[in-house]
Amino acid sequence: TQLLEQSPQFLSIQEGENLTVYCNSSSVFSSLQWYRQEPGEGPVLLVTVVTGGEVKKLKRLTFQFGDARKDSSLHITAAQPGDTGLYLCAGAQGWNNDMRFGAGTRLTVKP
Amino acid sequence: EAQVTQNPRYLITVTGKKLTVTCSQNMNHEYMSWYRQDPGLGLRQIYYSMNVEVTDKGDVPEGYKVSRKEKRNFPLILESPSPNQTSLYFCASRPRGGYYTFGSGTRLTVV
Repeated sequence: TQLLEQSPQFLSIQEGENLTVYCNSSSVFSSLQWYRQEPGEGPVLLVTVVTGGEVKKLKRLTFQFGDARKDSSLHITAAQPGDTGLYLCAGAQGWNNDMRFGAGTRLTVKP
Repeated sequence: EAQVTQNPRYLITVTGKKLTVTCSQNMNHEYMSWYRQDPGLGLRQIYYSMNVEVTDKGDVPEGYKVSRKEKRNFPLILESPSPNQTSLYFCASRPRGGYYTFGSGTRLTVV
């Protein structure tokens, strides 16, 4: 079992629709990060959330960290084909604060 | 340009033939990690290093070795590759308390 469970695993929507993807765990994290990965490339950081209940916005993307720092969500408003990619969440924990990744949500936005 | 460089990008090898995947970063980061990415399993950490001469096992270390003789380099060694090590490998580095910057990946096929 994964430390971080991401859902849904796959999501295919039309351009202009809204969507939310989730990252859940039974563990507490000191911080949580969202990355986006495009084919043939490594993941690229989108945002880091640190405080329980924190909400961060990045243009059409809204990230929320759960109050208990065990889960997070990513909401995309008016999705565009350029949003297509694999969205990964990663949580920091442990004495060395290293990162553990979820399996990702593969998003396809059709024109 | 700040980056993590790993080589080669693609590698096909035969079972049992030792290989090394190189990784270098130019950001003076303390932490470096190796991950493998498999469909449905996400990014799983193989080994990580907190500084020169300090390395530790991640979640899936069996069949792999690493070394950290210099801060910038963190090679991944497969002494006797097997087909179940066919995967997409990523090297990443980060500063203490910061986020990971990833290389572009090495797609390894072991036949």
